[in-house]
Amino acid sequence: EIVLTQSPGTLSLSPGERATLSCRASQSVSSSYLAWYQQKPGQAPRLLIYGASSRATGIPDRFSGSGSGTDFTLTISRLEPEDFAVYYCQQYGSSLTFGQGTRLEIK
Amino acid sequence: EVQLVESGGGLVQPGRSLRLSCTASGFTFGDYAMSWVRQAPGKGLEWVGFIRSKAYGGTTEYAASVKGRFTISRDDSKSIAYLQMNSLKTEDTAVYYCTRDRVLLWFGYDAFDIWGQGTMVTVSS
Repeated sequence: EIVLTQSPGTLSLSPGERATLSCRASQSVSSSYLAWYQQKPGQAPRLLIYGASSRATGIPDRFSGSGSGTDFTLTISRLEPEDFAVYYCQQYGSSLTFGQGTRLEIK
Repeated sequence: EVQLVESGGGLVQPGRSLRLSCTASGFTFGDYAMSWVRQAPGKGLEWVGFIRSKAYGGTTEYAASVKGRFTISRDDSKSIAYLQMNSLKTEDTAVYYCTRDRVLLWFGYDAFDIWGQGTMVTVSS
């Protein structure tokens, strides 16, 4: 099973700042089958990025994904108030696993 | 509107069974694999299992934590996916989400572009 480790556990930033979230896999993720989700309290997760770098439908271009192999990054270029939430990475290249999440909170 | 609505959650005693339903609308249900994902209170996301489309025989895959106890099925005529949960344990307590694969008629694992609102399952005596 591929284990995904997200860092940091909590990220404290202010609106307008740049956020960089990391997701590291215990082994290479085939075909860059890596996705990112956003979850707000009391809501279901929402798909942001698939295939490591492709934005899902309706996702603002301030969200971008990059990486390959075992190291992946979600970047939010300029934080909006609605971006403060928990973010999960998911790999779907070998069975399916999620990272433990990164909480993005307002500083 | 593309939508998934889960139902069937509730309080159940350890060792008992429960069946969840996921009713889909707004898309051709039979063309997509459907998954179940759960989230224990205050915890992260855990994939439970999925069922492929009938194009791939409606075959299933499960996480090790539920294999042999949980069964996923589908009724394409009603646009419903089911999660039959047997021999429930206290650690199965979670919100259960139904999800749709992003790519239609896909055999492998995939990202999930549509999620239901979730249904809470509490396993307790």
